[in-house]
Amino acid sequence: GAVVSQHPSWVICKSGTSVKIECRSLDFQATTMFWYRQFPKQSLMLMATSNEGSKATYEQGVEKDKFLINHASLTLSTLTVTSAHPEDSSFYICSARDLRPVPPHADTQYFGPGTRLTVL
Amino acid sequence: AQTVTQSQPEMSVQEAETVTLSCTYDTSESDYYLFWYKQPPSRQMILVIRQEAYKQQNATENRFSVNFQKAAKSFSLKISDSQLGDAAMYFCASHNAGKSTFGDGTTLTVKP
Repeated sequence: GAVVSQHPSWVICKSGTSVKIECRSLDFQATTMFWYRQFPKQSLMLMATSNEGSKATYEQGVEKDKFLINHASLTLSTLTVTSAHPEDSSFYICSARDLRPVPPHADTQYFGPGTRLTVL
Repeated sequence: AQTVTQSQPEMSVQEAETVTLSCTYDTSESDYYLFWYKQPPSRQMILVIRQEAYKQQNATENRFSVNFQKAAKSFSLKISDSQLGDAAMYFCASHNAGKSTFGDGTTLTVKP
């Protein structure tokens, strides 16, 4: 299989606090994980690429000091939204890139169930 | 830069009928993958089907099949014998150089 979990599934926080979201690949190792943001009825917007053991690569316009990404192991990446504000409210989705060299897994992204963040 | 275009924001199909969702893409890479993902109301992204660009044979997964036209950079998804559970938003995506690009999605409604 290829299962990716994400925790929490939803979170409500006060403005100015920080929130950490975890993304885990449960039955495969992922040297690369991706973090996306999705607004209702819109496509996925790539925020950053998380590489195990190295610094994340952020897309243009994404504040790396606000969205801290850590990929400390082959199965876990975390996204921390620091000093969250209402405009950060969104649906955040992670995915893990499966590098097992056999179809259907090879170079396929598997997605977590997403985290709905609401900042009051 | 990669681009993926889904020209049909919404589609509908009668239960048990067949529907085709369109996707075109643009890439300068020679080695890439193409995917269709389904996102139901739960918002969980589910892999529907994948295609390696170097393969001429169209991928098939049960009721789902693709029409991959490499020269035209077209990658359409055909859903046969549509079921109510197929109702979802469908995203076409291309992947190369370690990054994926998604289309804007097509919302599929299945009428009973």
